[in-house]
Amino acid sequence: EAGVAQSPRYKIIEKRQSVAFWCNPISGHATLYWYQQILGQGPKLLIQFQNNGVVDDSQLPKDRFSAERLKGVDSTLKIQPAKLEDSAVYLCASSLGRGGSGELFFGEGSRLTVL
Amino acid sequence: AQSVTQPDIHITVSEGASLELRCNYSYGATPYLFWYVQSPGQGLQLLLKYFSGDTLVQGIKGFEAEFKRSQSSFNLRKPSVHWSDAAEYFCAVAFSGSARQLTFGSGTQLTVLP
Repeated sequence: EAGVAQSPRYKIIEKRQSVAFWCNPISGHATLYWYQQILGQGPKLLIQFQNNGVVDDSQLPKDRFSAERLKGVDSTLKIQPAKLEDSAVYLCASSLGRGGSGELFFGEGSRLTVL
Repeated sequence: AQSVTQPDIHITVSEGASLELRCNYSYGATPYLFWYVQSPGQGLQLLLKYFSGDTLVQGIKGFEAEFKRSQSSFNLRKPSVHWSDAAEYFCAVAFSGSARQLTFGSGTQLTVLP
């Protein structure tokens, strides 16, 4: 079974530039999450999708971050314009959602460096 | 406020020694509890989870964890550590009504000495 796929693995940009990350969850997983992991910290939830609808985006900095999951499968997270403090690993995770065991499956992450 | 605390930022043990990583949570009820491991450059892998029932849960790679309601703790243990266990370990909780959202602790970095 293929895992959660993310790209790109690494991205270096200058502040005020834009960047986009892509995630393809495990086939059949209805719930998709984006987490931000700053160096030395645990992952922090940015947004949760159930199919193509947003369940929770309360911690997403909406002035600069946006995310979509138009067809209820893959998802894109965008940052525009980027700030220095956005340097982090962006982790995508998926789960079966309702009726599942509650286990989240994580991708390898996309590491962003903002200069 | 709901929170997860891992009091040890970094732990060093010798190969073959026993290991215990601490995790405490603050919440009015029993949450769902998880331990994840993250190797350098990798995503997080689930080691074990507790939802209900037997308070001692077994996981992969020889790890186990014990839920203690009276102490609001869910400590991770392994009787004999292997060099390949060197990684960062995260405790995570899903509070009821949170739609399976995980709140993570800040992590414990494990170093294994030969």
